[in-house]
Amino acid sequence: EAQVTQNPRYLITVTGKKLTVTCSQNMNHEYMSWYRQDPGLGLRQIYYSMNVEVTDKGDVPEGYKVSRKEKRNFPLILESPSPNQTSLYFCASSFGTNNEQFFGPGTRLTVL
Amino acid sequence: QKEVEQNSGPLSVPEGAIASLNCTYSDRGSQSFFWYRQYSGKSPELIMFIYSNGDKEDGRFTAQLNKASQYVSLLIRDSQPSDSATYLCAVNQAGTALIFGKGTTLSVSS
Repeated sequence: EAQVTQNPRYLITVTGKKLTVTCSQNMNHEYMSWYRQDPGLGLRQIYYSMNVEVTDKGDVPEGYKVSRKEKRNFPLILESPSPNQTSLYFCASSFGTNNEQFFGPGTRLTVL
Repeated sequence: QKEVEQNSGPLSVPEGAIASLNCTYSDRGSQSFFWYRQYSGKSPELIMFIYSNGDKEDGRFTAQLNKASQYVSLLIRDSQPSDSATYLCAVNQAGTALIFGKGTTLSVSS
């Protein structure tokens, strides 16, 4: 089944404790992206990747890191999480920026 | 700063009516236009995409694009309670990131 998977789906952590949210797609998509969604602010892009080893900042990259060592994986890293990073996070992938993006199921992160 | 604007709603329509959702965008070079539906707590799913001026129909859904006016809309005919969701408009230019509007909440009452 073609899909984008994210893990974990739910995470409660404390300020400053490094964490990684994994994202994997099995559709051979070149483009992958991370979004955060907050009430009243909509979907905001954190980072995106056009291909392996190619990443770029989105609208809200501060406090986040990403890597794209393999085509299928695009992990999101929070080196020192803070409460303002409490949010619903979505990973998405597509063949290109002009194509339909397929979204993962979301990761609900709470930073205490 | 490229922007995509949507009326946040809620837009309330009775069952069986036509729901009209609107979206304007600031970047004249935009080439691809998408409508996603998102149920509360779930991930967005694609409803329609449109690249050319005019109308595109798919079942009960019609997307309308007017590049001169920088306007894209989604019509939902014979609205059903299951259509109650937030509808996200997304716009991009080739090689750039997809920009999402904040979404319009639609409520269909039975």
